[in-house]
Amino acid sequence: EAGVTQFPSHSVIEKGQTVTLRCDPISGHDNLYWYRRVMGKEIKFLLHFVKESKQDESGMPNNRFLAERTGGTYSTLKVQPAELEDSGVYFCASSQDLRFSGANVLTFGAGSRLTVL
Amino acid sequence: QKEVEQNSGPLSVPEGAIASLNCTYSDRGSQSFFWYRQYSGKSPELIMFIYSNGDKEDGRFTAQLNKASQYVSLLIRDSQPSDSATYLCAVTGAGSYQLTFGKGTKLSVIP
Repeated sequence: EAGVTQFPSHSVIEKGQTVTLRCDPISGHDNLYWYRRVMGKEIKFLLHFVKESKQDESGMPNNRFLAERTGGTYSTLKVQPAELEDSGVYFCASSQDLRFSGANVLTFGAGSRLTVL
Repeated sequence: QKEVEQNSGPLSVPEGAIASLNCTYSDRGSQSFFWYRQYSGKSPELIMFIYSNGDKEDGRFTAQLNKASQYVSLLIRDSQPSDSATYLCAVTGAGSYQLTFGKGTKLSVIP
């Protein structure tokens, strides 16, 4: 079974530019999450999709961040315009419906490292 | 604000010893507790989860939960150099899909 795939693995951009991160979840996983780890801090929740719908976007830092999941398959996270404080590692994760797993067991991707200069 | 606290380490143990990793959490409503292992530059990988008070064993790993003390721990028996990684504690509340993470404890197993 393929895991959670993220692209790119590393992106270096200048302040004010736009970056789009992509996540392909495990096939059949309706739940898709974005998390972020800023240097020196803990991994923090950004948002949660159930299929194509945003279930919870309470962790999104501001309106420069836009997440989409068209068709309920892969997801993109766009940062526009990027600021210095957006640098960090962006993790995507997916999970099955809780009715099947009993606990919300997330499988994470390897992350996309974003460096804003 | 919900918080999860872990000692950042590094925690160094000799090969074959027991490594003990600890985690405290602030939200009494927390219901599920997870331990993830993360090698440098890799994805966090679930080791085990626990939601009932007491111990849960899986191979060399034992998770211990004490909800009254708001404390969860992970014991690794017969530690191996391949166990050297950062261990992340995470919790969720009742009916919540959000994981709240600690900063992680870096474990180093010395051959």
